[in-house]
Amino acid sequence: EVQLVESGGGLVKPGESLRLSCTVSGFIFSSYRMNWVRQAPGKGLEWVSFISGRSNDIYYAESVKGRFTISRDNAKNSLYLQMSGLRVEDTGVYYCARDSFRRNPWSDFDYWGQGILVTVSS
Amino acid sequence: DIQMTQSPSSLSASVGDRVTITCRASQGISNYLAWFQQRPGKAPKSLIYAASSLQSGVPSRFSGSGSGTDFTLTISSLQPEDFATYFCQQYSNYPFTFGGGSKVEIK
Repeated sequence: EVQLVESGGGLVKPGESLRLSCTVSGFIFSSYRMNWVRQAPGKGLEWVSFISGRSNDIYYAESVKGRFTISRDNAKNSLYLQMSGLRVEDTGVYYCARDSFRRNPWSDFDYWGQGILVTVSS
Repeated sequence: DIQMTQSPSSLSASVGDRVTITCRASQGISNYLAWFQQRPGKAPKSLIYAASSLQSGVPSRFSGSGSGTDFTLTISSLQPEDFATYFCQQYSNYPFTFGGGSKVEIK
């Protein structure tokens, strides 16, 4: 069974940093591209970042470029999102999502984690 | 960036009704369009990919159609568990973008 479990969320002040993790099981992690997607309270979905299986290709939304860093450790079946310079508008639930690999260079998101809440407030 | 516009933003329907939600892309995206269902407090769940392909395990009452800029999600006979918010997403070009959502409520 495919499972994705996020951790590392919490309450931080503006300007502070936080590192999210997504631990996966049930599939060969290194073979799949991965994404982070976020959702502000009561709002829609916003794609945040993408990483290829070998970390060769990495993309960011303009809203987080230069502040967030996506990475992965295939030996630990884990995806990360290092967030620095956090802003109030970064508040929301963060999801990791698997790329289905049905198409290159990227595809639809077929499995999602349950999400983790990040709150940025003074 | 490609803008995705969904309509309606909300609708009221009864169990057994046929429901249609539309999604329009600001430029052509071929069939690189996915639909997700999100129940309150839960993660999005993939329903359809490539505009019309049903994700494994998704009931056949869900269907998708369209290509280019105009797409449709149809629920043929609404069930109690289908009351949720539905999002479309394009994955033709980075950055990947989502529609604003369509909330299906009980009439």
